[in-house]
Amino acid sequence: DADVTQTPRNRITKTGKRIMLECSQTKGHDRMYWYRQDPGLGLQLIYYSFDVKDINKGEISDGYSVSRQAQAKFSLSLESAIPNQTALYFCATSDLSAGRDTQYFGPGTRLTVL
Amino acid sequence: RKEVEQDPGPFNVPEGATVAFNCTYSNSASQSFFWYRQDCRKEPKLLMSVYSSGNEDGRFTAQLNRASQYISLLIRDSKLSDSATYLCVVTQNTGGFKTIFGAGTRLFVKA
Repeated sequence: DADVTQTPRNRITKTGKRIMLECSQTKGHDRMYWYRQDPGLGLQLIYYSFDVKDINKGEISDGYSVSRQAQAKFSLSLESAIPNQTALYFCATSDLSAGRDTQYFGPGTRLTVL
Repeated sequence: RKEVEQDPGPFNVPEGATVAFNCTYSNSASQSFFWYRQDCRKEPKLLMSVYSSGNEDGRFTAQLNRASQYISLLIRDSKLSDSATYLCVVTQNTGGFKTIFGAGTRLFVKA
């Protein structure tokens, strides 16, 4: 079984709809992240959480919100989806073992907003 | 200027070739450095961490030059399976935690 899972894997929706992307992990890591990836661009950080009570905005948080329901679960919501939110979304986890913040990614969710 | 810059490529090389990628970063306070590999439409996966003294893992060698603020990845004896996008990753913790991904360098290894 995968250590970091994302649901759904693919989603097509319409402008204005509310969408939730879910992420679960079995790695026991405290840190979780949401990124988006657009063609030709690097991964951009949307939100991150260092523990259940900690939520931080990343570089592109506008139009998104998150919820850290438990150590193992971190969900991303688009309150009112717009076409330029069409992208590949990755969840990641990390810990600080060996003093380095190595990140482990889920398989991604491909979101299309029409 | 981007915080982490990579040559996007693509690099087209024959099997068995040696290929090198460079990556530059702008913040001298950056703390940790990594190379990730990403196959088309898949998630990034850690290839190797980059240590100040340089490190090697099989056919892969990573180097860090803090004075010049660049990181390199050398792949020897390229295999077809090495075809992928290679992402340079830098973390910082000044004024808040930050992990920055480069846009990646595409490599195609041909038979």
